[in-house]
Amino acid sequence: KAGVTQTPRYLIKTRGQQVTLSCSPISGHRSVSWYQQTPGQGLQFLFEYFSETQRNKGNFPGRFSGRQFSNSRSEMNVSTLELGDSALYLCASSLDRNNSPLHFGNGTRLTVT
Amino acid sequence: DAKTTQPPSMDCAEGRAANLPCNHSTISGNEYVYWYRQIHSQGPQYIIHGLKNNETNEMASLIITEDRKSSTLILPHATLRDTAVYYCIVETGTASKLTFGTGTRLQVTL
Repeated sequence: KAGVTQTPRYLIKTRGQQVTLSCSPISGHRSVSWYQQTPGQGLQFLFEYFSETQRNKGNFPGRFSGRQFSNSRSEMNVSTLELGDSALYLCASSLDRNNSPLHFGNGTRLTVT
Repeated sequence: DAKTTQPPSMDCAEGRAANLPCNHSTISGNEYVYWYRQIHSQGPQYIIHGLKNNETNEMASLIITEDRKSSTLILPHATLRDTAVYYCIVETGTASKLTFGTGTRLQVTL
């Protein structure tokens, strides 16, 4: 079974631009979550989507948004990029049953210059 | 804030058992203990989880104390590929919103 796939693997953007990251979950997984990882703050939860609806949200500004499609694939968007948005963005999927663990992709490394 | 406390780093000789401790003294009755690890430049990898009973799978064993205030992850025969940061997390059942702490950096050496 294929794992969680994230594209692109690396991205370089300029301050003020916007960016869209893509995530394909494991087949059959309907819950998709996004996390940001930085050296200073560690791994932080951004949001979770289930059945095309945002179900949980972390403590990030409105510049961070996401969506989920009917095939469970998900995208996240960051508008008006700031230098501090440079991070590894991780997507995870799960079966959304009690006790089902998260399965993470290898992330998209975003660098904002 | 993370609800767990882990030592920042540990060393283990290859072939020996690696025992990684975790304190979660404020764990609630419906919270599970999850373990993930992150190898450099990769996403976190799920290892094992449990509620009250000890658990074992092909990767590791999880020992949870009777009062559930602490647990130990055991890698029975550590290899160099087990060098990673190990995260202990406590969350309720459908845990999509995980709170990661700083974890334990395990270094396996020859």
